[in-house]
Amino acid sequence: SQQGEEDPQALSIQEGENATMNCSYKTSINNLQWYRQNSGRGLVHLILIRSNEREKHSGRLRVTLDTSKKSSSLLITASRAADTASYFCATDNTGGFKTIFGAGTRLFVKA
Amino acid sequence: SQTIHQWPATLVQPVGSPLSLECTVEGTSNPNLYWYRQAAGRGLQLLFYSVGIGQISSEVPQNLSASRPQDRQFILSSKKLLLSDSGFYLCAWREAGEEAFFGQGTRLTVV
Repeated sequence: SQQGEEDPQALSIQEGENATMNCSYKTSINNLQWYRQNSGRGLVHLILIRSNEREKHSGRLRVTLDTSKKSSSLLITASRAADTASYFCATDNTGGFKTIFGAGTRLFVKA
Repeated sequence: SQTIHQWPATLVQPVGSPLSLECTVEGTSNPNLYWYRQAAGRGLQLLFYSVGIGQISSEVPQNLSASRPQDRQFILSSKKLLLSDSGFYLCAWREAGEEAFFGQGTRLTVV
């Protein structure tokens, strides 16, 4: 069954606005990862946050993790048209071998 | 640096024909290897993963099989394709507990 579930399923914003995507999961995790996928391409890793971390930044990306609520959020600040893509969260099982992906959030940034 | 090669990029196969998709990784040794399938507009479904040569874990019982004949080679196969095998197949590698790196994917259409 799916481990991570993203919310919302789709998001449409204007260039310059911030985009927030949420991810919920069900069981204990080692870490949570966020990926980006442009249409018809492979996934590209954005950020990995470990279970003992609460927040992580990379450029315009900010990821938070709340293990008590089993949830994470990805914030993209000052969005650009080039940020248009699908964004997925993924979690590892406690053994660290299986990586399970959610259904993704489709982000559309209008220029 | 590490790279991952996946081919072919697109494939159109008739129902009942065999399938062989290949994935190779360079620049690392003993990686964990993964095959995922993605339906249009959906998330990634984990099909198989391997933590070493000859070690294959199957996540979804179906018409497909996987093999790892060499440390950095992962093959997805089918003896007889079904229409439902159509989809976008992605190979990935990672070290346990770290982020995954994906190939560019194979678009398989079974006709």
